[in-house]
Amino acid sequence: DAGVIQSPRHEVTEMGQEVTLRCKPISGHNSLFWYRQTMMRGLELLIYFNNNVPIDDSGMPEDRFSAKMPNASFSTLKIQPSEPRDSAVYFCASSFRPPLILAGGPDPKPTYGEQFFGPGTRLTVL
Amino acid sequence: GESVGLHLPTLSVQEGDNSIINCAYSNSASDYFIWYKQESGKGPQFIIDIRSNMDKRQGQRVTVLLNKTVKHLSLQIAATQPGDSAVYFCAERVRGYNKLIFGAGTRLAVHP
Repeated sequence: DAGVIQSPRHEVTEMGQEVTLRCKPISGHNSLFWYRQTMMRGLELLIYFNNNVPIDDSGMPEDRFSAKMPNASFSTLKIQPSEPRDSAVYFCASSFRPPLILAGGPDPKPTYGEQFFGPGTRLTVL
Repeated sequence: GESVGLHLPTLSVQEGDNSIINCAYSNSASDYFIWYKQESGKGPQFIIDIRSNMDKRQGQRVTVLLNKTVKHLSLQIAATQPGDSAVYFCAERVRGYNKLIFGAGTRLAVHP
């Protein structure tokens, strides 16, 4: 499995331009999450989807940010227009929310829908 | 650039020593906890998780301890290696919700 795939890995753009970040979750996963990470605020959840439906977008900073998930294998996060304060690393993560599984055994296998993170997109807005 | 940022607490240990990273979580309704490791330039990577009906769970070199009374979580790494150097995040999930709430993180620096 290739894991969560994000593109581009790096994006440098000028203030006012539209930016589109892309994510392909792990095949079979039914939840997808967009996070933003900065030195100032740490790791923040922006929005998450269950079965392609946005469930909680309370972390989206403002109307300039929008996210879509047209199908189970693709999601986009768009910023329009971009501003310098949007500079950050944006992570996509996916998970499969299974029925409750009791933990057991010596290996720390995830027991309740661990999130797998992509490598991130480093966005710089000049 | 950013002039002020999070000052992550740093734990410095000697190679071969045991490390203990602590985390205080916020919500008594949280029923699931995860420790993530983030190396420079990479996304967070799962280390170990624990449900609230347990107080301890062990992996190969890692142990997570959960104290619900004081809402405290710890990650113990045995025989710490240079490859363990990273930022470690704890995360909690509130019962009934699918999203994780991440802590600020702790930087682990392993010295030879």
